[in-house]
Amino acid sequence: DTAVSQTPKYLVTQMGNDKSIKCEQNLGHDTMYWYKQDSKKFLKIMFSYNNKELIINETVPNRFSPKSPDKAHLNLHINSLELGDSAVYFCASSPPGQGNTGELFFGEGSRLTVL
Amino acid sequence: QKEVEQDPGPLSVPEGAIVSLNCTYSNSAFQYFMWYRQYSRKGPELLMYTYSSGNKEDGRFTAQVDKSSKYISLFIRDSQPSDSATYLCAMRGGSYIPTFGRGTSLIVHP
Repeated sequence: DTAVSQTPKYLVTQMGNDKSIKCEQNLGHDTMYWYKQDSKKFLKIMFSYNNKELIINETVPNRFSPKSPDKAHLNLHINSLELGDSAVYFCASSPPGQGNTGELFFGEGSRLTVL
Repeated sequence: QKEVEQDPGPLSVPEGAIVSLNCTYSNSAFQYFMWYRQYSRKGPELLMYTYSSGNKEDGRFTAQVDKSSKYISLFIRDSQPSDSATYLCAMRGGSYIPTFGRGTSLIVHP
């Protein structure tokens, strides 16, 4: 039973198209994230939501729009795709409360290739 | 200078070797230090977690933090081919959002 699941796992699309990636977690966590991992394996935070509210929005082009319909789901929509958007996008979640490790639980990633 | 520096490798060792993986950082506010392991085509998974300075051991893995030098290490004893993965250090201060290193690719060959 997968804890953090993302769909689709692979996306190949043309420049200028719009695409969405969906994420769901069944861990009961309050906080969810989107990370981007580039070809050099550098993992960079994009967005963070806590209980459906946006709490972190790093310097990401506004072509990227996250949406959290409920605290178990965090989707990512990307408009007008560019070559530089090619990367692996990871969804993650973390449990609430002070004193915990802040451990992130990652999905398996969605590999986006823009041609 | 990036906040967290980590040599990307690859680091290739024979089975049974002791592996040392390291990160340096510049932000003195970091207090929580983590190592994540990422297998090919998978998401990262937390391997070790340490608060402040000191050592922590878990089986064949030892995490070490030296806050005075802003330097953290992960040691793997008796390395196995199944340890072949990318190891990412991560650290944070009061915020729950960690800053990741770029990962070191480790290859353990039989």
